[in-house]
Amino acid sequence: AQSVAQPEDQVNVAEGNPLTVKCTYSVSGNPYLFWYVQYPNRGLQFLLKYITGDNLVKGSYGFEAEFNKSQTSFHLKKPSALVSDSALYFCAVRDDQSGGYQKVTFGTGTKLQVIP
Amino acid sequence: DADVTQTPRNRITKTGKRIMLECSQTKGHDRMYWYRQDPGLGLRLIYYSFDVKDINKGEISDGYSVSRQAQAKFSLSLESAIPNQTALYFCVTSGRQGGVGQPQHFGDGTRLSIL
Repeated sequence: AQSVAQPEDQVNVAEGNPLTVKCTYSVSGNPYLFWYVQYPNRGLQFLLKYITGDNLVKGSYGFEAEFNKSQTSFHLKKPSALVSDSALYFCAVRDDQSGGYQKVTFGTGTKLQVIP
Repeated sequence: DADVTQTPRNRITKTGKRIMLECSQTKGHDRMYWYRQDPGLGLRLIYYSFDVKDINKGEISDGYSVSRQAQAKFSLSLESAIPNQTALYFCVTSGRQGGVGQPQHFGDGTRLSIL
């Protein structure tokens, strides 16, 4: 069975400081990893994904994520946080070994609060 | 215009009522899904469909039914609503091209409250 953990319910960071939102995963085969962002009263929006290749993946709005196979992690990062980055962030994983319908498992979400 | 449109956006109803949530998409995707979001539980899959006439149960299908009326339309029904079905419901699509690396595309959700 596959799973995703986002250990922090909320992350607070000062505007202009770097931010990290943590995600760890568990799959049987190779992972396909995703980050989504949710703003109030909106659906989730795709930010970035890791399928294969470089461990550092760049995405929308200046976000990037680092895939670490040995630590089974896929942390979301941004060098300089903006107040407008305040939102709910979800990590998600698909397993390339699940066959048939490749289920997506979402984490429980981390609320990012950027303080002016 | 939104690529994935959900109607209604908000609904308050009473226990025992039948409710239908509708979803239409202009992305041309063949795969459509219904999820519910509850605080602290993340998103859970209710039903999914890979094509018209293809319907599959997800993690939490009890108390729900779906209909894929056309490639672009996928509706979710609660036959007899109960209070623990109060949640935020999302219609989601994804394309077949590119395989499992394709991201999912979300509607803006229907906030459903059952009294």
